[in-house]
Amino acid sequence: DTGVSQNPRHKITKRGQNVTFRCDPISEHNRLYWYRQTLGQGPEFLTYFQNEAQLEKSRLLSDRFSAERPKGSFSTLEIQRTEQGDSAMYLCASSSQENTGELFFGEGSRLTVL
Amino acid sequence: EDQVTQSPEALRLQEGESSSLNCSYTVSGLRGLFWYRQDPGKGPEFLFTLYSAGEEKEKERLKATLTKKESFLHITAPKPEDSATYLCAVQINFGNEKLTFGTGTRLTIIP
Repeated sequence: DTGVSQNPRHKITKRGQNVTFRCDPISEHNRLYWYRQTLGQGPEFLTYFQNEAQLEKSRLLSDRFSAERPKGSFSTLEIQRTEQGDSAMYLCASSSQENTGELFFGEGSRLTVL
Repeated sequence: EDQVTQSPEALRLQEGESSSLNCSYTVSGLRGLFWYRQDPGKGPEFLFTLYSAGEEKEKERLKATLTKKESFLHITAPKPEDSATYLCAVQINFGNEKLTFGTGTRLTIIP
């Protein structure tokens, strides 16, 4: 399967703990995006990378959130000192540079903060 | 601020009963409008891109259209496997790569 892969699929943690999610995009895509989705809502943009450069960050991305894409391949999204409001589905997507609205999403990483 | 509003929130149809979903938008400068399908517990799946008013795209039982203020997703003779949440998203002028999504229409097709 050459689609977007996300791990872990589910994560349950206690408030105050740190969590990290990993995303492996489609190999030929140089753009990678992180979105967050809560129940009954559409995905909300968090950040995106072109190769290893992080080019845009949403105001939603507080100082507790950090994303990296060290070699322009896989990406990680870390949330420090988790809060109950961080509970959501974290979606990763990738695209080619030519079709930046045609996103290929992974199946998401669902975070539950107790 | 850019806004995307989808209606209805939920729609139940009998198999074979055609209908339309609406996506209205208020943006500073539309670069593209996109339709996605999302099944429960999965990530969204890309369906269509529309760039200019009057444009239409078709795929199987789905047809998407675009005007200057809204887009419609027409579903003709739907089948139960068309049941999903349909999301509309907009991308504004160059230099801003994010998609702004609506809240979706949850479509249920009853056999």
